[in-house]
This record gives sequence, structure tokens and C-alpha cells, in this order.
Amino acid sequence: DTGVSQDPRHKITKRGQNVTFRCDPISEHNRLYWYRQTLGQGPEFLTYFQNEAQLEKSRLLSDRFSAERPKGSFSTLEIQRTEQGDSAMYLCASSLARTRRNEQFFGPGTRLTVL
Amino acid sequence: DQQVKQNSPSLSVQEGRISILNCDYTNSMFDYFLWYKKYPAEGPTFLISISSIKDKNEDGRFTVFLNKSAKHLSLHIVPSQPGDSAVYFCAASANGGTSYGKLTFGQGTILTVHP
Repeated sequence: DTGVSQDPRHKITKRGQNVTFRCDPISEHNRLYWYRQTLGQGPEFLTYFQNEAQLEKSRLLSDRFSAERPKGSFSTLEIQRTEQGDSAMYLCASSLARTRRNEQFFGPGTRLTVL
Repeated sequence: DQQVKQNSPSLSVQEGRISILNCDYTNSMFDYFLWYKKYPAEGPTFLISISSIKDKNEDGRFTVFLNKSAKHLSLHIVPSQPGDSAVYFCAASANGGTSYGKLTFGQGTILTVHP
């Protein structure tokens, strides 16, 4: 059983550069979520997909952020013109939307450092 | 506004004793609650959950209690083991509509179990 995987695990970039992260969910899961976690805080919801449709976006997701899930499989999260405030752990999670339970399974995260 | 709060940043317990982690929420629309455990450099791992139609759910050493009138839930770990040392996050979701799926997390409680 391969869980949720994320790539890269770490990314260091200079302010103003663009970065892209990838998430591969558990294969049969049709829901995919992105969260952001900063030091001392719990994960904060960014956006989620059911299959290829992006159903909700947080107000935290500025215009510099864009997420896609082509063909309802893997997902990418792109941050354009990075700022130091974007430094955080970016977590991806997936779940199966079959019941009212909402147990999401998380990947190891991508730690972004913006210099 | 912090809709899910874990007011204790840390908890220290002796091995074999009970660990009680607390969580309060403010949003009356939340109807499903989850606890996650997180080790350093890993994503959160699902531990146990409870629906708002129940007041208790048990899984081995872990029991979650829900007091809807007080908007309070707690996680009991009995007996505590050193391997339980981790950050514990409380999370909540409001099923229905376009918010189905989004988890709102508390800030986390660092549990340390001493041998």
C-alpha cells in the first residue's frame, strides 16, 4: 500500500522565483486536499479537489497560488513570485468520498524556504 | 478566528498513566471530529474520529469523548507509552454543501511520555 507521496520533500528558493510541488494521492481516493502549516500552528486548509474539479479555495490562497489536478490523479500546487511569508510546510492529503466520514490521509509534506 | 482550539501547548505524562488531551470548538456546524498524531518530518497520521451523533468512540488504548453542549472533545490515551510522544492535532469538519471535506485544525499539543 503506497500512501500519499509528495515531491520534493524540501525546496529552497529565492524571493520572486516560482515553485511547483507535486502530490500523488492514494490511488483509489477521489478527493485531494492541500494544506499549509507554519511553525507552532495546525495545518490550514488551502484548497480541495473532487476528481479533477476544484471545489473550494481558501481565502489564504492568493492569486499567486494555483492548483491543478488534471485527469483526477496527481495534483500540482504552484506558487508564483514567492515571498518570504510563503515559507511553510505544504501538506497534501487524500480521502475517499464514499461516506460521511472524512478521514484524510496525509503525505510527508514539502517544506518550502524562501530566502 | 480560531474555530478549533487546543489551549494546552504541551503535556508531560509518566509511562503507564493516562494522557488527556483537550480541544474546544466554536462552530456549531462542525459534525465530525478527528484526532491526528504527527511525528517530526512526517505528515499527520489519522488516529481516531467521532461523529456528532455519538459521545464516545473507543479504539484500543485511545478513546475520544465529545460534549456537544460544551463544544468540547478530549482524547484519552490509556496506558500512555513513550512511543505516543508526538504532536496531537484536533480537527473538525462540517459535512454538507461545498464545505464537505475541509478540515479545520487546532494548534496542536505536544505530548511527552516519560519512561
